[in-house]
Amino acid sequence: DIQMTQSPSSVSASVGDRVTITCRASQGVRGWLAWYQHKAGRAPKLLIYATSTLQSGVPSRFSGSGSGTDFTLTISSLQPEDSAIYFCQQTNNFPITFGGGTKVEIK
Amino acid sequence: QLDLVESGGGVVQPGRSLRLSCAASGSTFSSYGMHWVRQLPGKGLEWVAVIAYDSSSRYSAESVRGRFSISRDNSKNTLYLQMNSLRAEDTAVYYCAKETELNTMNYGLDIWGPGTVVTVSS
Repeated sequence: DIQMTQSPSSVSASVGDRVTITCRASQGVRGWLAWYQHKAGRAPKLLIYATSTLQSGVPSRFSGSGSGTDFTLTISSLQPEDSAIYFCQQTNNFPITFGGGTKVEIK
Repeated sequence: QLDLVESGGGVVQPGRSLRLSCAASGSTFSSYGMHWVRQLPGKGLEWVAVIAYDSSSRYSAESVRGRFSISRDNSKNTLYLQMNSLRAEDTAVYYCAKETELNTMNYGLDIWGPGTVVTVSS
């Protein structure tokens, strides 16, 4: 199975800050990488798929990049409603695997 | 737009079975791959299984292989997860989710149900 490692495990930033989350795969996933936002008590929300394709309706302050084994989710200007846990997910191989999550808090 | 609602969760003893259902509203259910994903208590997300839009392919996580089975009935707009030989470590919130692209199984999950809770305990 492909192991997905996210860093940091948590980050605290101010409104307006740029936040970057990293996801590293144990082997190449050829760009088949998605990002989700998960708030407590709610279903996860797809933000980005295929490394950098922004899901319809997702604010443009979210962006994704990367290739091979290293990927990044960037929030260009953190907003209060972005407080959540963010997960990466590789979909290149079955079984599909998720990263352990990054908790984003607002200072 | 498709809406998904899971049902069938509850409290069950170890070793017993449970079948989850995911009812989809909307006419496009039959065109999309569908997944089950679970969240273990206090932990992150774990992918469980996927089925192609036409049931031609299915894959599952090693932790449930041989015990859980995914299926669908496109005539009823419903996805299923048959869970046998349940263990305490299967206790989780179970979500069904739809693929974001037509006729695929590995792009991303854009629509999720609210989840149903399964508790395995004696």
